[in-house]
This record gives sequence, C-alpha cells and structure tokens, in this order.
Amino acid sequence: AQSVTQLDSQVPVFEEAPVELRCNYSSSVSVYLFWYVQYPNQGLQLLLKYLSGSTLVESINGFEAEFNKSQTSFHLRKPSVHISDTAEYFCAVSLSIMGRRALTFGSGTRLQVQP
Amino acid sequence: DGGITQSPKYLFRKEGQNVTLSCEQNLNHDAMYWYRQDPGQGLRLIYYSQIVNDFQKGDIAEGYSVSREKKESFPLTVTSAQKNPTAFYLCASSPKDRGYSREGREQYFGPGTRLTVT
Repeated sequence: AQSVTQLDSQVPVFEEAPVELRCNYSSSVSVYLFWYVQYPNQGLQLLLKYLSGSTLVESINGFEAEFNKSQTSFHLRKPSVHISDTAEYFCAVSLSIMGRRALTFGSGTRLQVQP
Repeated sequence: DGGITQSPKYLFRKEGQNVTLSCEQNLNHDAMYWYRQDPGQGLRLIYYSQIVNDFQKGDIAEGYSVSREKKESFPLTVTSAQKNPTAFYLCASSPKDRGYSREGREQYFGPGTRLTVT
C-alpha cells in the first residue's frame, strides 16, 4: 500500500524567509509525485510534479521540490515567501494498481506567512 | 475556457434528504473522480470513473452513489445513509492513462462544493 506523510500540519514563517514543507511517501514501486496548493474555499491547483528525469522540479512562482528516492521524500521549498503564498499545500502520490489510477494525498500543511 | 465546474458552491440540506452535487468538465478527459475533504485529513477518494457508463468505488464509497452517462458529467449523490455528510467535496478529472506516456498521472480539480447537513 502507498501512503503519504506530511509531518507538519502548520508552518508559520515570516515574509521573505525561506520555507521547506516536508513530504515522505511509502511505496514499493515507482511513483509519480505532485504538490498541490489550495487557497481558502477553493479547489486544488497543481503546483509542480515529478514524473521522470531531473529530480529537481520547479514551479513558475518560485517553488521547487526535489525527488529523493533513497529517502522516499519530495520536500517543497521556496527561498523567499510572500504573503500571497499563505495556503494549504498537499503532497500526493500517483500509481496504478489493478487498473486503478488515483492520487493518494497527505493530510496537508498549512503555510502561514506573516508580515 | 476549459475547466471543471462544480455547482453549487455552498449547499445546505436537512438530515435524511438525498442531495446531488454536480460536476462538469469540458477538458475532454476520460477519467473523473470525487474526493471528500475534512479538516486535517487531506482528501479521500469516494468514487472514480475511467470511462463512460463505468465507475468504481474508492476508499469511502458507503453512503454515496454516482453515475457517468456522459463523458462530461459525473454527478455525486450523497444519500441519507451517509452518516457524516458535512464536508467539502471536490471533483477532479484526468486524461486517459496511456502506458507509453505519462498522460493521466495528474488530476485537475474543480472549485469544490461545501455541503452542510443539519
């Protein structure tokens, strides 16, 4: 079975400080990894994804995540956060089992950026 | 604009009533999904459909039903049998999973419907 662990339920940080949101997964097969962002009362938006190739992936708004197979991690980082980054962030794993493809989500990390 | 629409955004019902949540997509995606979101629990899969006229139960299907009569539409009915129906419901879709490429690995989400049952 696959599972996703986001160790921090809340991460408070000051504006312009760096941040890391942690994500670990457990799976015995190759996986595809995603970070989604959710603003209050909205759906999820894809932030970035790892499907194959370079283990470092970047988003257009300055976030990056690194796939580390040996540590089964896919931590999300940003060197300098903005107030507008305040949101909930979900890590997700996708794989196909018996013809079923769906995402397994972590429990989410609420990023609170303070002025 | 292509996308996924869910209506209504907020829905209120009395206990014991069935209620149907709408989900429509114009992305020409084959697969559609329903998730339930509760505070501190992430998203849990209720039902999914990979093709018209076919659907499968997810991890928490009890008390829910779905239909997939059209490619664009995947409505979810929350029945009176669902013991704790108050939640935020999210619909998603993805392209057909082609084994030789990596399409279909990511999902696109609608804006959600917040259901409150009293």
